[in-house]
Amino acid sequence: QSALTQPASVSGSPGQSISISCTGTSSDVGNYNLVSWYQIYPGKAPKLIIYEGTKRPSGISNRFSGSQSGNTASLTISSLQAEDEANYYCCSYAGSHTLVLFGEGTKLTVL
Amino acid sequence: QVQLQESGPGLVKPSETLSLTCTVSGDSISRYYWSWIRQPAGKGLEWIGRVYISETTDDNPSSGSTNCNPSLKSRVTMSLDTSKNQFSLNLTSVTAADTAVYYCAATALYWYFDFWGRGTLVTVSA
Repeated sequence: QSALTQPASVSGSPGQSISISCTGTSSDVGNYNLVSWYQIYPGKAPKLIIYEGTKRPSGISNRFSGSQSGNTASLTISSLQAEDEANYYCCSYAGSHTLVLFGEGTKLTVL
Repeated sequence: QVQLQESGPGLVKPSETLSLTCTVSGDSISRYYWSWIRQPAGKGLEWIGRVYISETTDDNPSSGSTNCNPSLKSRVTMSLDTSKNQFSLNLTSVTAADTAVYYCAATALYWYFDFWGRGTLVTVSA
């Protein structure tokens, strides 16, 4: 099964909001409320920032929010800060055969 | 907070077996599902599989139960060592396409990854 589709890059200025989409199918994103999002800095351990589509782990800023409509999930980062510049990946449960799919990743640049 | 650290050879020859270990600290290895995830250079993440202790694990609880990416299943073996709080990955018959940063990760519930290691680069080359 193919990876989930994300834009390769997005950019925004400090203080702005951006959204990153994650498009799957009715077999994965659209069928389960199990989309998660990860923030990765080069050379660092990835960090879980959204789980079950909309929930934030303890300690994650409320500037990060998740949503879902049909086969597409989205990550929104509000009040952009320079420290948000990183790579972001979505992930979804994809059923009992494929199990887990990741997105292709999106590089966020803060201008 | 769970902490994870990957270890293993950074260079493996083609056709040989890639072997990695993840050492867990901060909690018991019996409380989570333990995954391996990789990222080839310039590409996205790929889930390899996971190992965990379950009620259906056989008489040797350290062997663990597993789930695996169907595309890698024929080459992947995973196990747990509860005495050392470690889990391991073996990937057989490697090729250059297996060159990647390999991460280990912990799942408390369902199918997301709460904690990750920093990753270790494994290069397949003669």
